[in-house]
Amino acid sequence: AQSVTQPDIHITVSEGASLELRCNYSYGATPYLFWYVQSPGQGLQLLLKYFSGDTLVQGIKGFEAEFKRSQSSFNLRKPSVHWSDAAEYFCAVGGGNEKLTFGTGTRLTIIP
Amino acid sequence: DVKVTQSSRYLVKRTGEKVFLECVQDMDHENMFWYRQDPGLGLRLIYFSYDVKMKEKGDIPEGYSVSREKKERFSLILESASTNQTSMYLCASSSLGVGYGYTFGSGTRLTVV
Repeated sequence: AQSVTQPDIHITVSEGASLELRCNYSYGATPYLFWYVQSPGQGLQLLLKYFSGDTLVQGIKGFEAEFKRSQSSFNLRKPSVHWSDAAEYFCAVGGGNEKLTFGTGTRLTIIP
Repeated sequence: DVKVTQSSRYLVKRTGEKVFLECVQDMDHENMFWYRQDPGLGLRLIYFSYDVKMKEKGDIPEGYSVSREKKERFSLILESASTNQTSMYLCASSSLGVGYGYTFGSGTRLTVV
C-alpha cells in the first residue's frame, strides 16, 4: 500500500531564512509526487508535481522539490521564505488510476 | 479559471439534522472526492466517485453518504449530524489518472451543535 510520511508536524523559520520540508513515501512503482499548500481557512493549492525527468522540479511561489529515489524522499525547499508562506503543506503520492495518498501535513510558522 | 466550488464556507447545524454539502466542478473531470480534515489527522477520504451514479467508500465512510447524479456535481450527505462530524470538509476533482493531481474547493467548515 502506498503511504506518505511528513515527519515534521510544525516548523518555525525566520523570514528570509531557507526552508526544507521533508516528505518520505512508499510506493511500489514510479510514483507521481505532489506538494500542496493550504492557507488558513482555504482549500489546497498545487505547488508542484513530479513524475519523471529532471529530479529537481520547480513550482509556483519560488518553491522547488527534489526527488531522491534511493531515499524515497521528495523534500520541498525554498531559499528565502516570506511571511506569506505561513501555511500548511501537504505531500501526496499516487500513480496510474490510483487515488492520491496525502501526508498529515507540516504547519509552517514564519517569525519576523 | 477552472474551479471546484463548494456551496457554503461555513455551516452550523444541530445534532440529528440531515446535512447536505454540495460540490460543483467546471472542468469536466471524471473523478470527484470528499475529504474531511482535522488537526493532526491530515486529510481523510470519506467517499469518491469515478463516474456519474458511481460511488466508492473511502477510509471513513461511516455516518456519510454521497450522491452523483450529474458529472459536475458531487454531494456529501450527513444523514443524522453528530458533534463528532464537526470538521473542515474538502471536495476535490481530477481527470482520469493522477498525473494532473487534484483540484480542491475552498472547503466547508461545518459545526454541529
